[in-house]
Amino acid sequence: QQQVKQSPQSLIVQKGGISIINCAYENTAFDYFPWYQQFPGKGPALLIAIRPDVSEKKEGRFTISFNKSAKQFSLHIMDSQPGDSATYFCAASSPGNTPLVFGKGTRLSVIA
Amino acid sequence: NAGVTQTPKFQVLKTGQSMTLQCAQDMNHEYMSWYRQDPGMGLRLIHYSVGAGITDQGEVPNGYNVSRSTTEDFPLRLLSAAPSQTSVYFCASSYAPPGEKLFFGSGTQLSVL
Repeated sequence: QQQVKQSPQSLIVQKGGISIINCAYENTAFDYFPWYQQFPGKGPALLIAIRPDVSEKKEGRFTISFNKSAKQFSLHIMDSQPGDSATYFCAASSPGNTPLVFGKGTRLSVIA
Repeated sequence: NAGVTQTPKFQVLKTGQSMTLQCAQDMNHEYMSWYRQDPGMGLRLIHYSVGAGITDQGEVPNGYNVSRSTTEDFPLRLLSAAPSQTSVYFCASSYAPPGEKLFFGSGTQLSVL
């Protein structure tokens, strides 16, 4: 059973537009929700993360929105740029020595 | 500061061969893990370690073996390679806890013929 469901699988956005990637989870013990960004040929790198005590976190053009009651969280990329073209993974973890579980990834292409 | 170093970058094996993927980190991180990345499947956890001498299985451990004799190194051994193990393998580490900020290596692309 997939613990974190991510959608869409792929996304094409015009330069300057808003990219939105969604994730849903079932495990109510999850208390940490990061997003990772991966460029071709590279390992993933932490982009932004949120904990359930807040509903939104913003870092520059990147925002996480979190809906605890719906068990959903999303990544919004404002003013999307071609340099944002990458694969994005949502993930979740619960307290203690439990590892991250990842969604299946979204391949974002930002076209001029 | 090198971070997480994986070797080799590319490897081709024949079915039944064994090999070891190397992973080393110089950040004194307690937690290390191995993931495999396949198209449409995301990142799946193979094995992880929360400290020297301690390892545990992840989601897809079959066919792989690990050990953690030092804080710095966490090698992944393929016992008898199979075509289903063709994948990109990533090693990651974090200071603590294992669900917090992961630092990934640049990956090893493995093909099993």
